[in-house]
Amino acid sequence: ETGVTQSPTHLIKTRGQQVTLRCSSQSGHNTVSWYQQALGQGPQFIFQYYREEENGRGNFPPRFSGLQFPNYSSELNVNALELDDSALYLCASSTGTDREQYFGPGTRLTVT
Amino acid sequence: AQTVTQSQPEMSVQEAETVTLSCTYDTSESDYYLFWYKQPPSRQMILVIRQEAYKQQNATENRFSVNFQKAAKSFSLKISDSQLGDAAMYFCAYRAWGSNYQLIWGAGTKLIIKP
Repeated sequence: ETGVTQSPTHLIKTRGQQVTLRCSSQSGHNTVSWYQQALGQGPQFIFQYYREEENGRGNFPPRFSGLQFPNYSSELNVNALELDDSALYLCASSTGTDREQYFGPGTRLTVT
Repeated sequence: AQTVTQSQPEMSVQEAETVTLSCTYDTSESDYYLFWYKQPPSRQMILVIRQEAYKQQNATENRFSVNFQKAAKSFSLKISDSQLGDAAMYFCAYRAWGSNYQLIWGAGTKLIIKP
């Protein structure tokens, strides 16, 4: 197991609501990347944070936003939830933007 | 845009035998990384093996090895002496060298190990 943790494990929300997912990075890691993994698909890159700044973003709308704290933990916020947002959300931490990524167990989000 | 394709949704192999998982990718870049990740059921995604495009030698990690064909844009994973613990989803992933270090993933191959 990696030292990356995510909370909560599972979450059920209603369409239109907002959700916050949390990621605690492995000790010594300053970079966090977030991915969305729909059922039966590979992960899709949402964005990456490096030293509290967004360092790159995938093809996701602005209602997906993030934050990285001074201790390098991170949050993913999704506003105005849609049914298609139902997925496993993975975070991965690393010691730099081009270093090996270590993944957390994910948060399973269900939007009804 | 870069893409990664895994054409085998599911593969099965007898325990102790060898299996090869296929991956092809498309990119116009000359420098990049390729990865195989393993995602066991309800467990964390872990890195199995990585290959730098500038290296001609195929990467090897114990029972796992790759066949990297840069001109053909092919990157297959060979698992030797398959074990029950190898059962998982296997994902091929690509990362360009340079800014925006996102991983681009294939759809995955489910590997079943028959005892």
